Amino acid sequence: DAGVIQSPRHEVTEMGQEVTLRCKPISGHDYLFWYRQTMMRGLELLIYFNNNVPIDDSGMPEDRFSAKMPNASFSTLKIQPSEPRDSAVYFCASSFPSSNEQFFGPGTRLTVL
Amino acid sequence: TQLLEQSPQFLSIQEGENLTVYCNSSSVFSSLQWYRQEPGEGPVLLVTVVTGGEVKKLKRLTFQFGDARKDSSLHITAAQPGDTGLYLCAGRLPTGFQKLVFGTGTRLLVSP
Repeated sequence: DAGVIQSPRHEVTEMGQEVTLRCKPISGHDYLFWYRQTMMRGLELLIYFNNNVPIDDSGMPEDRFSAKMPNASFSTLKIQPSEPRDSAVYFCASSFPSSNEQFFGPGTRLTVL
Repeated sequence: TQLLEQSPQFLSIQEGENLTVYCNSSSVFSSLQWYRQEPGEGPVLLVTVVTGGEVKKLKRLTFQFGDARKDSSLHITAAQPGDTGLYLCAGRLPTGFQKLVFGTGTRLLVSP
């Protein structure tokens, strides 16, 4: 039974480039979350979706960040243009609405040079 | 502003020792969870506590939710190298929404 799938696992890019991170949630999960983890700020919620609709994007740092969920099995987080301070591990997680548990993917380690 | 503060931030102990990790807030949570994260992986849920004063045990791990539902603790008895990892508490605010607020994290290293 596949868990949350994220791609790529590692991304190295140069400042100013566009970065797209991808996530496939667990089948049947109605909620999808995007998090960012850094040593300084810990694990921060960026945005979450319910039934493909964005519910709360108050954690999105600025307009350079955008997220979409075109269908129940796919979501993207885009950074354009990327900056060195965006370097972090980005996690996607999903859950059932009746469950307390969030299932996390393995993360994408982003390095912006 | 960090809603959930964990202490200590780092803990390095020998196999067989006991330890306690604390998770504190000035906010009330409807439930609180503990996750463990290993290098290169996402956090994995260990336990959820819902009722003030609740105590849950998971083998050598004991979790407690404060009476006022503002704080929690994780106690590990006879720690083993396999317990090494980042421990995160996460609270759900009583707004009815699904989002979690994660704590600052405690990095535990258990040496043989």
